Amino acid sequence: AQTVTQSQPEMSVQEAETVTLSCTYDTSESDYYLFWYKQPPSRQMILVIRQEAYKQQNATENRFSVNFQKAAKSFSLKISDSQLGDAAMYFCAYTRGGSNYKLTFGKGTLLTVNP
Amino acid sequence: GAGVSQSPSNKVTEKGKDVELRCDPISGHTALYWYRQSLGQGLEFLIYFQGNSAPDKSGLPSDRFSAERTGGSVSTLTIQRTQQEDSAVYLCASSLEDRAIDTQYFGPGTRLTVL
Repeated sequence: AQTVTQSQPEMSVQEAETVTLSCTYDTSESDYYLFWYKQPPSRQMILVIRQEAYKQQNATENRFSVNFQKAAKSFSLKISDSQLGDAAMYFCAYTRGGSNYKLTFGKGTLLTVNP
Repeated sequence: GAGVSQSPSNKVTEKGKDVELRCDPISGHTALYWYRQSLGQGLEFLIYFQGNSAPDKSGLPSDRFSAERTGGSVSTLTIQRTQQEDSAVYLCASSLEDRAIDTQYFGPGTRLTVL
């Protein structure tokens, strides 16, 4: 069974600084996708960034980037120039390739942004 | 619609009562997923639909839980004889098709409290 582990229950960062959230996963599949979702207090999960396992290049979306280490099964999220609106719960998630794509989530990391 | 909607936003019920939770996916999305978010278990997959069929019901915790989808659109999650351990936020997501590459868009969830 696939598992996703987020070892940091809480993190904090100063506004405009950079923070990295950690995620490791375990799978025997070769074709899979990894995601970071953000859940603000409104409860609505929002996709932040996605990485296809077959791509060697790390995904980047504006201030958000990942460090995907496939051999180590590590998938960390870096948030640059942190903003107050980045404060939320962040979930790392996994799904295997193909069809049916239920997501397996980590426990989440609560990010606080200090002004 | 503009996004995935869920109703009700909050539901308080007494132990032993039945409840129905509704999900309206994004128009044109063929895949629909239900997840449960609770303090103890984190985010867990319940069931997914492709059209009106449910190829994967593996996450439903007991036979008190059932779900259906009609017209390839609206889905209803029904919990019979609710128990206190059913208290959680129930999240619905939809995607264009049931492929890993298709982003899952989440609704705001229904917070269920069983007294």
